[in-house]
Amino acid sequence: EVQLVESGGDLVQPGGSLRLSCAASGFNISNYAMSWVRQAPGKGLEWVAGVRASDGIDFHADSVKGRFTISRDSSKNTLFLQMNSLRAEDTAVYYCAESTYGNYIESMDVWGKGTTVIVSS
Amino acid sequence: QSVLTQPPSASGTPGQRVTFSCSGSNSNIGMFTVNWFQQFPGMAPKLLIHHTYQRPSGVPDRFSGSKSGTSASLAISGLQSEDEADYYCATWDDRLRGVAFGGGTKLTVL
Repeated sequence: EVQLVESGGDLVQPGGSLRLSCAASGFNISNYAMSWVRQAPGKGLEWVAGVRASDGIDFHADSVKGRFTISRDSSKNTLFLQMNSLRAEDTAVYYCAESTYGNYIESMDVWGKGTTVIVSS
Repeated sequence: QSVLTQPPSASGTPGQRVTFSCSGSNSNIGMFTVNWFQQFPGMAPKLLIHHTYQRPSGVPDRFSGSKSGTSASLAISGLQSEDEADYYCATWDDRLRGVAFGGGTKLTVL
């Protein structure tokens, strides 16, 4: 069964760092486009970062560029999101998502249940 | 402010046909295919439509997608009470070099 399980969410102070993990099972993450998508309380979905399957090229939303970094460890079949210089507006549920449709990062058809990040002093 | 514009709410009665609009620009919908997601409160989103028209396995054919120019639409025919959820459009944006989501439309089944 294809499954994504996120972990690493926590309460962190502004300016702090956190690393989110997304453990995949049932498929090899290197073969599929992967993304992080977040949802602030009571708000809509916001794409954060993604990585293409074919060449491993990554992309980041302007709102997190220079602060967040997406990466993957094929040996662990795990996707990561390193989050630095966290701000209150980064408070959200963070979802890991996979696209089985080639390099189409935006066609996310498998989702994890999410992990919660709260940035507050 | 979302790059893709969706009306915040929509409503319909059981059995009715409802449509959701998603307005973009030449750098996103005008160039790329559109995806639609359904989300229930407290749950992860679910892909309903990919590549503008395609339904993943298991999605009923009551759901259909279309696109014209820089706008896209999702239609639900034979509306059911369990369709009450939030609906988001998404596509690649060439100017942003990233995925753009619409702000979402909350569907109420009366």
